[in-house]
Amino acid sequence: RKEVEQDPGPFNVPEGATVAFNCTYSNSASQSFFWYRQDCRKEPKLLMSVYSSGNEDGRFTAQLNRASQYISLLIRDSKLSDSATYLCVVIEGFKTIFGAGTRLFVKA
Amino acid sequence: GAVVSQHPSRVICKSGTSVKIECRSLDFQATTMFWYRQFPKQSLMLMATSNEGSKATYEQGVEKDKFLINHASLTLSTLTVTSAHPEDSSFYICSAFPPDRGTEAFFGQGTRLTVV
Repeated sequence: RKEVEQDPGPFNVPEGATVAFNCTYSNSASQSFFWYRQDCRKEPKLLMSVYSSGNEDGRFTAQLNRASQYISLLIRDSKLSDSATYLCVVIEGFKTIFGAGTRLFVKA
Repeated sequence: GAVVSQHPSRVICKSGTSVKIECRSLDFQATTMFWYRQFPKQSLMLMATSNEGSKATYEQGVEKDKFLINHASLTLSTLTVTSAHPEDSSFYICSAFPPDRGTEAFFGQGTRLTVV
């Protein structure tokens, strides 16, 4: 079983749609969780941190469920500029583990 | 602004030659930096952990003699791909953790290596 698993997609959605991504992790001792965004041929950039209490930043909401060991990202009112790959990232000790990424295409 | 700078952003080299990639922390000291490789449509895979003043720690399956890492100063780590082959063509990226940003990783801009 992979340490961090994501649905690779792609997700093809129209502008204005709401889309949700999930990510599961295998190590219950994992400490920190993030969603990163990666545009084609570019480096990943932090989108937001993920907490058990939930974290909302504008149209983006991230949630952590430690009991079920999954992380979610919800994007509301999708924009064309949201098209990218979204990486689930889990920190275990000094190790940063990336999911394979979920590709999102938002179309007009 | 960028806190981790990587150079070059793109390089094309002939098979058998060596390529050096630099990763710099711009406004903080990084005793540890990380080198990743990403193949198309795949995730970032950790290759090695670069430690200032000591040997790098390589992940299983990564040849240390092929991917030479030098971390001679607190702001610079280099990855040298020796005797490059077409299968080494990939996106190489470094990261570091600024001490005042907790567990948030910052990445260099990445280096797209094409070996012909």
